[in-house]
Amino acid sequence: SQKIEQNSEALNIQEGKTATLTCNYTNYSPAYLQWYRQDPGRGPVFLLLIRENEKEKRKERLKVTFDTTLKQSLFHITASQPADSATYLCALGASGNTPLVFGKGTRLSVIA
Amino acid sequence: DTEVTQTPKHLVMGMTNKKSLKCEQHMGHRAMYWYKQKAKKPPELMFVYSYEKLSINESVPSRFSPECPNSSLLNLHLHALQPEDSALYLCASSQGDGISNQPQHFGDGTRLSIL
Repeated sequence: SQKIEQNSEALNIQEGKTATLTCNYTNYSPAYLQWYRQDPGRGPVFLLLIRENEKEKRKERLKVTFDTTLKQSLFHITASQPADSATYLCALGASGNTPLVFGKGTRLSVIA
Repeated sequence: DTEVTQTPKHLVMGMTNKKSLKCEQHMGHRAMYWYKQKAKKPPELMFVYSYEKLSINESVPSRFSPECPNSSLLNLHLHALQPEDSALYLCASSQGDGISNQPQHFGDGTRLSIL
């Protein structure tokens, strides 16, 4: 069956460092992958979308990579700030009539 | 503030009650979604509407009944719910037809508690 794993349930880093979150998948051939941020008591907020034929996408301090050979996406936040503390969800979508499937998320805490 | 508005923000109901959750968006999106999210879990898709027609039902029990009165509104009618149905119910919308690779815009959800 399809499986999406985000490397850890929680990740703590020091302010100013680069946070790297991992999304691995098995038994799946995604056409695209999305990353969302979710704060407690709020709905997810879309951050970045990357397609299977793209290696890397950037937006301000955010960078996403997508390696279909390794079946992995890496999500980086450079110069992290306490305001970046949140749960980050990866979501995979296949081509055709299939909806997004979300990973369990990684709770990031940036410590000042 | 999100561009997808959900009401009410909180709802407490008994197992015999009938209530409705409402969702509204004015971004011109033609795909709308209902998700259920339990604590520390990812959102789980329940229903997808594409151009006001139900396109995906993820084997959701019939005590949940979705309705899409027009392109901006999405309702979820609730009846005879069980305590395990207590969760955060999220509405989302996107461009395209609900099966395309478009970002989804989420509301902040309705926190539902079943007594």
